[in-house]
Amino acid sequence: DTGVSQDPRHKITKRGQNVTFRCDPISEHNRLYWYRQTLGQGPEFLTYFQNEAQLEKSRLLSDRFSAERPKGSFSTLEIQRTEQGDSAMYLCASSETGATEAFFGQGTRLTVV
Amino acid sequence: SQKIEQNSEALNIQEGKTATLTCNYTNYSPAYLQWYRQDPGRGPVFLLLIRENEKEKRKERLKVTFDTTLKQSLFHITASQPADSATYLCALPHFKTIFGAGTRLFVKA
Repeated sequence: DTGVSQDPRHKITKRGQNVTFRCDPISEHNRLYWYRQTLGQGPEFLTYFQNEAQLEKSRLLSDRFSAERPKGSFSTLEIQRTEQGDSAMYLCASSETGATEAFFGQGTRLTVV
Repeated sequence: SQKIEQNSEALNIQEGKTATLTCNYTNYSPAYLQWYRQDPGRGPVFLLLIRENEKEKRKERLKVTFDTTLKQSLFHITASQPADSATYLCALPHFKTIFGAGTRLFVKA
């Protein structure tokens, strides 16, 4: 399967714990995006990378959130001291630079209890 | 700030009919507009893109129109099938993509 892969698919964590999600983009794609989606809403932009450089961060991305793409390939999104409001689907997408179409992964469903 | 509005009410139609979904936007003049399909528990899948200089775009049973004066796009599925049941998202480019909340479509057999 050469699509965007996200791991894990589901994560249940207790409030206050740290969680980390991984995204493996399509191999030739140099852009990688993270979105968050809550029930009944469209995906909300969090951040994006051009190769290993993080070029933009949304105001939604509080200082408890950090994303990395160390070698310009896979990316990780970490949430520290999780809160119930962090419960959502976290989506990763990738594209080629200048492309109009983004390819999404299946998402990681986070539940904070 | 840019805003995208899609009909939040679910659309229920009978198999074989044409489904029409609406996307309105404000405070923006996009070079193009995209439509995605999203099934429950899955990521969005790109369907169609229409550019500002195109009035209409077709792909199989899908048709999209784009009226930059009204700031509106219409998304049509002709001869709808139960397998078309999903949420359809309108999206606009801004150095990152901005999505509407989506419209849930149910096609009854």
